[in-house]
Amino acid sequence: GDSVTQTEGQVTVSESKSLIINCTYSTTSIAYPNLFWYVRYPGEGLQLLLKVITAGQKGSSRGFEATYNKETTSFHLQKASVQESDSAVYYCALGRSNSAGNKLTFGIGTRVLVRP
Amino acid sequence: DPKIIQKPKYLVAVTGSEKILICEQYLGHNAMYWYRQSAKKPLEFMFSYSYQKLMDNQTASSRFQPQSSKKNHLDLQITALKPDDSATYFCASSTGTGGMAEQFFGPGTRLTVL
Repeated sequence: GDSVTQTEGQVTVSESKSLIINCTYSTTSIAYPNLFWYVRYPGEGLQLLLKVITAGQKGSSRGFEATYNKETTSFHLQKASVQESDSAVYYCALGRSNSAGNKLTFGIGTRVLVRP
Repeated sequence: DPKIIQKPKYLVAVTGSEKILICEQYLGHNAMYWYRQSAKKPLEFMFSYSYQKLMDNQTASSRFQPQSSKKNHLDLQITALKPDDSATYFCASSTGTGGMAEQFFGPGTRLTVL
């Protein structure tokens, strides 16, 4: 099956500093998965931040970037300079699409607190 | 306006009882899903539906039964509730089930079973 491991717990970072949240995946399938980062801002629902469906490609959104590395099976999320508004819970996810439909496998989530 | 509505937001139930979690989406999507997140665990896929037909069921227990009365509804009936069923249940939808279309999530229903 599929599984996702990401930085656990809370990451605290000062405003304007860089952020990296590690994400690695494991799969028993020979097919490469699609990879996603979802985010939940305080008081809001889960929403897609970025996705990459092709190994080797980079996705970006709202200043965040993640590169799909099939060699290291990683999809780390990075931002060069965070803002207070980036405080949220970030989820790495692996997606499969087949005859049975779409399915997302999530990591446990990483809470990011940006201090002013 | 919220595009995916889940009702209720909070739900408390006693062991052995039955509850129905409501999900309605107003995105015009054809596919709908249920996920569950228990304390200190990742979101876990439960079901996927496409055009009101069950596509995938990853829930081991038959106590969990999705019900789709309309194309934009996918309710979740849970019978014989147990304390281990305590979790936040998320409904999601997408335009289809092909090509890994983006899934949009509802705000969740937090269920506590005493």
